[in-house]
Order: sequence, then structure tokens, then C-alpha cells
Amino acid sequence: GESVGLHLPTLSVQEGDNSIINCAYSNSASDYFIWYKQESGKGPQFIIDIRSNMDKRQGQRVTVLLNKTVKHLSLQIAATQPGDSAVYFCAENLPNDYKLSFGAGTTVTVRA
Amino acid sequence: GAGVSQSPSNKVTEKGKDVELRCDPISGHTALYWYRQSLGQGLEFLIYFQGNSAPDKSGLPSDRFSAERTGGSVSTLTIQRTQQEDSAVYLCASSPTDMNTEAFFGQGTRLTVV
Repeated sequence: GESVGLHLPTLSVQEGDNSIINCAYSNSASDYFIWYKQESGKGPQFIIDIRSNMDKRQGQRVTVLLNKTVKHLSLQIAATQPGDSAVYFCAENLPNDYKLSFGAGTTVTVRA
Repeated sequence: GAGVSQSPSNKVTEKGKDVELRCDPISGHTALYWYRQSLGQGLEFLIYFQGNSAPDKSGLPSDRFSAERTGGSVSTLTIQRTQQEDSAVYLCASSPTDMNTEAFFGQGTRLTVV
């Protein structure tokens, strides 16, 4: 399953399929990006980060891609599992700044 | 515990009352943040503390909101004369440094103003 365009608030994906969550960030000067996962009733949990000198970074079952030309960030989840159901937020950080600016979030629902 | 701890988990208060929300950051983390999350929305920055520096209060929505951080550790967010629009989840986060690093979040305090 994939959220296309700038941003879709919801994404439904079949268990076992790959998921792609997209995020358009706002500031071309941002040099640090994070993806957070937030399950119901919990605080956001770090998934993976990437700095602007990289295009791609891989973690366990997750990959983050950064396209600075079009200010686009994506999170790919391989072999999506029921436990991946959550809201996913991208966040950006400007150089020499400390505040993370968060996107609106994408709700991912995994179908059994 | 090793994570960021917030209390209470839930708070229901009457309109016009004052509330205090507490955050215990991860030990040794110098940076502490408060964010607000309204239902179905993203995270809105409220205030930031770093060491002994003056806090960045630029995100506080009104003068009814204030926060303190005592001894560089525990922080309290106070909302005076609460209004219904203050109902939200208030999230605290801490990080070991202040820039370009992961922030660790607590579970949040769900505030409901009735």
C-alpha cells in the first residue's frame, strides 16, 4: 500500500505487503528528519532518522528516503505486520534549531 | 524507569480551574520539550528548556500557559483558568543534546476540560 501525493491521512495495507508513507516537508533548509510511530494512547516512538547529506537509510524492516529536490520524505515498511498499525509522523529540524516541526500524520491500518 | 515519565496520565478538570502537568525527563538529558496534540492532529510545539538557558516560550498559546523546570530535571506545565479548547494530549520529550537528535517522548497527559 502507498500514500500518494503530498500526504494522505490514512493508509490501509494488507498484512505482509510493503507500505510506503509519504511526507512533504516545508523548509528546504531543514537538515535533519525523523519518522515517529504513535500507537493509540501512547507517545510518539522513534523509528528512524536521516540527515540531509544522505538520500537513504535503512533500519530493521524500515527504509527512509529523502528527496531534497522536491522536499519529499518517505518511509517504507517491509512485510507490514498488525503491530505496525499506528499513526506515523514525519518531523523536520532546521540547522542550529532545536524544535522539531511535525507533519499532520498518516494513520496506517493493517488488514489481516 | 528509563523513559520519560508524565503524570497524571489523564486529567479531567472543570472550566476555569488551574491544572499542573508533570514531566520527569530521562536522567542526564539536558533538553526538555512540551508539545500539545489535539484530537487527530499533529504535534504543536509549546516550550523548550535547555540547561540553564532561558526557555523558549514562543509556542505557548496564551499567557494562561506557563512552565518551569526545576534543577534542570523535572518540569511542570501549568494552565490557568482552563478553557475547553485546552483539551488535548500534552506530551513531554527530552533529548541528550538540543539539536539534530532524537527526542524521546513520554506517554502524555490527556487533559479534558468540561
